Amino acid sequence: DAKTTQPPSMDCAEGRAANLPCNHSTISGNEYVYWYRQIHSQGPQYIIHGLKNNETNEMASLIITEDRKSSTLILPHATLRDTAVYYCIGGLYNQGGKLIFGQGTELSVKP
Amino acid sequence: GAVVSQHPSWVICKSGTSVKIECRSLDFQATTMFWYRQFPKQSLMLMATSNEGSKATYEQGVEKDKFLINHASLTLSTLTVTSAHPEDSSFYICSAAPGTSGSDTQYFGPGTRLTVL
Repeated sequence: DAKTTQPPSMDCAEGRAANLPCNHSTISGNEYVYWYRQIHSQGPQYIIHGLKNNETNEMASLIITEDRKSSTLILPHATLRDTAVYYCIGGLYNQGGKLIFGQGTELSVKP
Repeated sequence: GAVVSQHPSWVICKSGTSVKIECRSLDFQATTMFWYRQFPKQSLMLMATSNEGSKATYEQGVEKDKFLINHASLTLSTLTVTSAHPEDSSFYICSAAPGTSGSDTQYFGPGTRLTVL
């Protein structure tokens, strides 16, 4: 599994876009980049994943650099309920999906 | 879709007793489920991979005789903490991936908070 590096904490104003960076310079060619978030005392919630192309769903957008060494999760209009710890994980899609969590980024959305 | 449940959501037990935690995939079948443990202010730590119909695979440093895992069906895996001690107090979380090969996105249960007195 690829080692990922994320800033420990970030602040974002409510209604603004939250851009969460992740470095995964050791990611291998067949490893997907997954993003999950964990709201306090709950199980992690899946957000989005991608391999090479940028991805978008109803929750967020994922921008992956061409060299795949880093990515950015974008929450387009952050709300107070988006306050959580966000985890970026490199995982093997085709081998049982073992996910190794790093320390993540604690995002605080402020009014 | 893709809902995973856990039972109980919290449990308090006396030191030396055993506690069983259930993880169920409610709307899909899962050949593979995963068990994590999370201490306060820390990230999730993968404990073991639970495989339906076969023995679980434990991560390095996790005692297989203390944390018994049974994956008896495609929708149920159980984790039993045997002879629990206060240091086993933690937040236990399971996850499952739809599909028979486990090659899909993992979905997590809500977690079980274990307190050992």
